[in-house]
Amino acid sequence: GAGVSQSPSNKVTEKGKDVELRCDPISGHTALYWYRQSLGQGLEFLIYFQGNSAPDKSGLPSDRFSAERTGGSVSTLTIQRTQQEDSAVYLCASSQQQGARTEAFFGQGTRLTVV
Amino acid sequence: SQKIEQNSEALNIQEGKTATLTCNYTNYSPAYLQWYRQDPGRGPVFLLLIRENEKEKRKERLKVTFDTTLKQSLFHITASQPADSATYLCALSNTDKLIFGTGTRLQVFP
Repeated sequence: GAGVSQSPSNKVTEKGKDVELRCDPISGHTALYWYRQSLGQGLEFLIYFQGNSAPDKSGLPSDRFSAERTGGSVSTLTIQRTQQEDSAVYLCASSQQQGARTEAFFGQGTRLTVV
Repeated sequence: SQKIEQNSEALNIQEGKTATLTCNYTNYSPAYLQWYRQDPGRGPVFLLLIRENEKEKRKERLKVTFDTTLKQSLFHITASQPADSATYLCALSNTDKLIFGTGTRLQVFP
């Protein structure tokens, strides 16, 4: 595809439910990031995938959050037993090389609202 | 712990002036520093990248400096225009994950 694609664009869920957010990175990009952005705030790092290396999960806020990347391409971020404080925009980005050696391309984000 | 700080208050300037935004970091030795622009409801868009051994980088009306002694980057927009109004984010990395600052909102008035 032309860019990073995220789905759904909006998700409203009831407190306690599980949600899955999807990210399709740019083809050939080895690095993939997930960030969370609350209203008016900066980007909070969640998790980073680089090629076949073990992901850097140091930013995941609790064990309710998990992510996987299948076949080095599509990634899903799963939030179990959602809480109201999980409401935010979840952004995915991919880049051709690891770290900041090249630019990161962002998707439009998934706006998650937990009611 | 590692910290990346940008002015949390909005920067308001008049069209035609130079806007200067600051990014300070502590407990960190980044090899790369990037600047992004974010418009409301959109994902960030890459603007410039500068490496630790580079002092300055330019692209059209944009200029970035990187001072590893002061642990600071300055981002300049010359001849600013109302269309430059947005939030600007700095991001740092060694060789792995990319960590973002909180961003500074820039408002350019005609």
